[in-house]
Amino acid sequence: DTAVSQTPKYLVTQMGNDKSIKCEQNLGHDTMYWYKQDSKKFLKIMFSYNNKELIINETVPNRFSPKSPDKAHLNLHINSLELGDSAVYFCASSQDWGRFGYEQYFGPGTRLTVT
Amino acid sequence: QQQVKQSPQSLIVQKGGISIINCAYENTAFDYFPWYQQFPGKGPALLIAIRPDVSEKKEGRFTISFNKSAKQFSLHIMDSQPGDSATYFCAASGGRGSTLGRLYFGRGTQLTVWP
Repeated sequence: DTAVSQTPKYLVTQMGNDKSIKCEQNLGHDTMYWYKQDSKKFLKIMFSYNNKELIINETVPNRFSPKSPDKAHLNLHINSLELGDSAVYFCASSQDWGRFGYEQYFGPGTRLTVT
Repeated sequence: QQQVKQSPQSLIVQKGGISIINCAYENTAFDYFPWYQQFPGKGPALLIAIRPDVSEKKEGRFTISFNKSAKQFSLHIMDSQPGDSATYFCAASGGRGSTLGRLYFGRGTQLTVWP
């Protein structure tokens, strides 16, 4: 059973297009995240939702819009894709959010290539 | 500004040797320090974590050493095996302000263990 799953695994698209990445977790967790891993493998948080409420919104272009239809799902929509958006995007989840440093479970990643 | 500084960037160790990866931080609000392991094409997975109330934590061949006064922590992998070859990330999170609920990652160390 996959704990955190993402679709698609690979996404190749042209500049200017709009695309979405979907994430689902079956762990019963309350908190979900989106991370971006660049070509040098640096991992940086983009967004976090707790019980469908946006709680972390890092300095990310507003072309990126997360949506959480329910606690188990967190999608990422990207408008007007740019070359610099090429990266691996990871979804993660944790039992809860905040003070106690809950373990984050990562999905397998979506490799986005913008040409 | 890099919140967590990690070194070395890459590490080559003989099978059976000890691998040591170091991390340093400045923000005293950090109080949870996990290490993540990432294999190619996979998402990061929690390896071991420590809180600053202890100076060392051991799980099997993996040990975290923590020096609160120096604001440094390190991962030791004893009896390194080829299967340990992966990218290792240190991270930090805290309980207040901008550290609340966020994992700040180091830039990663690519470990290669030669048979």
